[in-house]
Amino acid sequence: GAVVSQHPSWVICKSGTSVKIECRSLDFQATTMFWYRQFPKQSLMLMATSNEGSKATYEQGVEKDKFLINHASLTLSTLTVTSAHPEDSSFYICSASLTSGADTQYFGPGTRLTVL
Amino acid sequence: AQSVTQPDIHITVSEGASLELRCNYSYGATPYLFWYVQSPGQGLQLLLKYFSGDTLVQGIKGFEAEFKRSQSSFNLRKPSVHWSDAAEYFCAVGAPLGDKIIFGKGTRLHILP
Repeated sequence: GAVVSQHPSWVICKSGTSVKIECRSLDFQATTMFWYRQFPKQSLMLMATSNEGSKATYEQGVEKDKFLINHASLTLSTLTVTSAHPEDSSFYICSASLTSGADTQYFGPGTRLTVL
Repeated sequence: AQSVTQPDIHITVSEGASLELRCNYSYGATPYLFWYVQSPGQGLQLLLKYFSGDTLVQGIKGFEAEFKRSQSSFNLRKPSVHWSDAAEYFCAVGAPLGDKIIFGKGTRLHILP
């Protein structure tokens, strides 16, 4: 149980286009979902926290207008990278939590974004 | 503020040897502590976690970790590593009443045949 999926697993896009990444909790309802970014050979950096039906809370330094997060249901959150540039190329990982606490986060397999 | 330090960027051990990966944390009280493993190009898999109680925690794949409050440490151990254990290992800390998990920079484990 507690499986989280991401789609797509990898995507290549042209500079200036927008890309949407989906994160789904397959067998549970997620109170909270998190989006992380991971640069090559680096750790995970939390980008934002989202709760179903409310606006996401972004970490300091993360551009909310560039990284649009929508948490429309208890099983789906989306991250849209708007007007993507090569520096946005990264590995994006989502996690989902059964509660609002840190103890029950389940991670998706990640999405590799390459912006040409 | 919470923080996590993994002092070793790379660790190399021979297959069958024992392993210890170090993790130190900074937090005002007893945090939630986690160890995750990540294979190349993959997401994170939870190995084990500590919330309270017995300070020696057993996890999956034969891993264990010991919480030492006096040293603010949560080191990961395995008595005998397998070639399939080669991966990136992340220690993480979360506040019991919070929702964020803060990750260390990771330790890359290499296994010699």
